[in-house]
Amino acid sequence: DTGVSQDPRHKITKRGQNVTFRCDPISEHNRLYWYRQTLGQGPEFLTYFQNEAQLEKSRLLSDRFSAERPKGSFSTLEIQRTEQGDSAMYLCASSLASGGGEQYFGPGTRLTVT
Amino acid sequence: SQQGEEDPQALSIQEGENATMNCSYKTSINNLQWYRQNSGRGLVHLILIRSNEREKHSGRLRVTLDTSKKSSSLLITASRAADTASYFCATLRYSSASKIIFGSGTRLSIRP
Repeated sequence: DTGVSQDPRHKITKRGQNVTFRCDPISEHNRLYWYRQTLGQGPEFLTYFQNEAQLEKSRLLSDRFSAERPKGSFSTLEIQRTEQGDSAMYLCASSLASGGGEQYFGPGTRLTVT
Repeated sequence: SQQGEEDPQALSIQEGENATMNCSYKTSINNLQWYRQNSGRGLVHLILIRSNEREKHSGRLRVTLDTSKKSSSLLITASRAADTASYFCATLRYSSASKIIFGSGTRLSIRP
């Protein structure tokens, strides 16, 4: 069984550029979550999908952020016109909707905006 | 905003000692979970305790939950160097909720 995978693991980009991250969840998991984590803080919820439907978005998710899960399997998170404040670790997690709430996390994508 | 607050923010102990971390939260919950994060990596689920449970054990981990005080504690017994990590509590507000809310974490260092 492969766990949650994320690609790339690191991304350095210049301010104003667009970036896209990919997450592959555990195959039988129907829920997929995106979080952002800055140094010394816990993960902050961004958005989540159940199958292909995006059911909740945080107010943290500005209109420069968009997430998709087109076939209910992998997901992408795109950030347009990146800003230095977007520098963070972006974590993806998956779970079963029927589960108790425990989530399984990927290794994260560390974004640095210069 | 984050639901939970861990205490202490940082903890350094000698290998072999026990480590205790506390978590307080603000609203009623369905369950509370603890996660571990090694430096710069993803989180690993450790243990889940439901709102109708008071104590739970898993290996060297012991979790307690006091819903009247809206607090939980995580005890790691006989600590090892490999336990060095950040520990986060996370709460699920109700059974049909979609997301868990994380606290700010406790950074645990185990001295050899």
